[in-house]
Amino acid sequence: DIQMTQSPSTLSASVGDRVTITCRASQTITNWLAWYQQKPGKAPKLVIFDASSLESGVPSRFSGSGSGTEFTLTISSLQPDDFATYYCQQYHSDSMYTFGQGTKLEIK
Amino acid sequence: QVQLAESGGGVVQPGRSLRLSCAASGFTFSSYGMHWVRQAPGKGLEWVAVISFDRNRKYYADSVKGRFTISRDNSKNTLFLQMNSLRAEDTAVYFCAKDAAEMATYFDYWGQGTLVTVSS
Repeated sequence: DIQMTQSPSTLSASVGDRVTITCRASQTITNWLAWYQQKPGKAPKLVIFDASSLESGVPSRFSGSGSGTEFTLTISSLQPDDFATYYCQQYHSDSMYTFGQGTKLEIK
Repeated sequence: QVQLAESGGGVVQPGRSLRLSCAASGFTFSSYGMHWVRQAPGKGLEWVAVISFDRNRKYYADSVKGRFTISRDNSKNTLFLQMNSLRAEDTAVYFCAKDAAEMATYFDYWGQGTLVTVSS
């Protein structure tokens, strides 16, 4: 099974900061990686797919990069609405889909 | 617009069964794979099961294999999750999610979830 490891688990930052979250896969997943944003009590929302493609309607301050086993989600200038928990998810295999443990982005 | 609405959650005793439903609208349901994902209280997301657009392929997480069954009725635009032999560790919010393709891609739309509590 493919394991996904995110770091850090918690990230404290201020409005306007540039932040990066990392996701590592236990084996290569090419670019079959998505990022989701989840706010308390709400369903997750797709942010990035295929490692670097921005979902329609998502602000351009979000970007994704990476391939193989290491991936990053970057928010170029944090806005108040961005404070949430972020999850990576691999879809390299059609029989098993794995999420990272999540990164909680907090206001400093 | 795409809408997914889960129902069927509630409180159930260990060892009992429960059936969740997910009513879909706003897209051609029969053309897309569908998933169930759960989230235990205060925990992260856990993928549970997937069914292909044509019902021919179904896959499960090891934690539910042999106990849960995913199915769909394309004539009624509805996804189901039959949960048997429920355990306390199955307590979670269960989300249905639409695959972005026939199967095996990311999840582009999610329902709001339904809470399942397994407790005596």
